[in-house]
Amino acid sequence: AQKITQTQPGMFVQEKEAVTLDCTYDTSDPSYGLFWYKQPSSGEMIFLIYQGSYDQQNATEGRYSLNFQKARKSANLVISASQLGDSAMYFCAMREATSGTYKYIFGTGTRLKVLA
Amino acid sequence: NAGVTQTPKFQVLKTGQSMTLQCAQDMNHEYMSWYRQDPGMGLRLIHYSVGAGITDQGEVPNGYNVSRSTTEDFPLRLLSAAPSQTSVYFCASSLSTGLSSYEQYFGPGTRLTVT
Repeated sequence: AQKITQTQPGMFVQEKEAVTLDCTYDTSDPSYGLFWYKQPSSGEMIFLIYQGSYDQQNATEGRYSLNFQKARKSANLVISASQLGDSAMYFCAMREATSGTYKYIFGTGTRLKVLA
Repeated sequence: NAGVTQTPKFQVLKTGQSMTLQCAQDMNHEYMSWYRQDPGMGLRLIHYSVGAGITDQGEVPNGYNVSRSTTEDFPLRLLSAAPSQTSVYFCASSLSTGLSSYEQYFGPGTRLTVT
């Protein structure tokens, strides 16, 4: 069954340092996509980055990169050079492509606080 | 494009009342979904739709109904509101049901309180 696990309810990081937010997943589908979203205190959901199961390279988008370790079923988000505006909830999500369910499933999230 | 719109933004219901949360998108997206967000539980999928006339249950469908008569609209109906349905509700859409690479676009959310 499709499942996403985020084991860090909260994280702190010093401004300008890098931080890794953990995400592990479980699926029997060989084709799937992994997503990260940011939810600031204002409440909107902002898409950050995507990784496909067949992608050979780790995805990067500006200061965001996804550390994809397929054998370990992990898809950790790395934020480099943290900024105060990075303080938010971060959600990992997965979608299976070929199982026919087409569902996006989310983890429980990690609240990141960037310290000045 | 307005993207994904949701109405109302806030709602207070009494136990037993029914209501419909509205969701619309103007991006011609095939896939639409409803989530509820509760503290410590992330976003849980209530119902989703892969196209007009096609809906299916998510993780927490009990107490909710959906229909999809058009591509644009995907309303969520609470049949008989209960305090356990107090939550923030998000509607989301994405371009395609056939590929995994399309991210979801989210509406601004509806904060529902049931007393």
